[in-house]
Amino acid sequence: EAGVTQFPSHSVIEKGQTVTLRCDPISGHDNLYWYRRVMGKEIKFLLHFVKESKQDESGMPNNRFLAERTGGTYSTLKVQPAELEDSGVYFCASSQAEPGETQYFGPGTRLLVL
Amino acid sequence: GDSVTQMEGPVTLSEEAFLTINCTYTATGYPSLFWYVQYPGEGLQLLLKATKADDKGSNKGFEATYRKETTSFHLEKGSVQVSDSAVYFCALLRWGGKLIFGQGTELSVKP
Repeated sequence: EAGVTQFPSHSVIEKGQTVTLRCDPISGHDNLYWYRRVMGKEIKFLLHFVKESKQDESGMPNNRFLAERTGGTYSTLKVQPAELEDSGVYFCASSQAEPGETQYFGPGTRLLVL
Repeated sequence: GDSVTQMEGPVTLSEEAFLTINCTYTATGYPSLFWYVQYPGEGLQLLLKATKADDKGSNKGFEATYRKETTSFHLEKGSVQVSDSAVYFCALLRWGGKLIFGQGTELSVKP
């Protein structure tokens, strides 16, 4: 069974540009989560999808961040326009139907905004 | 709000040394607790978990016991190996599935 995959693995962009991160969850997992680790600090929750619906987006830092989950399958996280403080590692995780189930994480996308 | 506090790293040990990484939490109720590990160049992997007080999670020689009275979930291993070098994250699970993480502790094991 394939794990959670994320693309790209690394992205270097300039301030003001747009970047789109993609996450493919484990097949059949209804729950999809985005997290972020900035500057070696704690990993922080961004948002949670159940199928195609946003269940909780309380962790989204501001309206420069837009997340979608087309058809309840893969998800994208767009940052537009990117700022320096957006640099960090963006993790995606998925879990089966019950929210309390173990979350399986992808390898992360390392974003650097210059 | 809920939070997790881990001992700061980096932690450097010699092979076969005993490991303890402290983790304490603040939360309403009794959340499930987790340790995740990130090996160099890889994503987060679940190492172990405990879902209620006094539960002991264990995996790959690592153990952690859910201590309600001290709100702690310390990670221990009796004899570390070079291959255990990684970043370790303690986390609690909130209602709805949100994980709240500590800041991570980097472990380096020298031969």
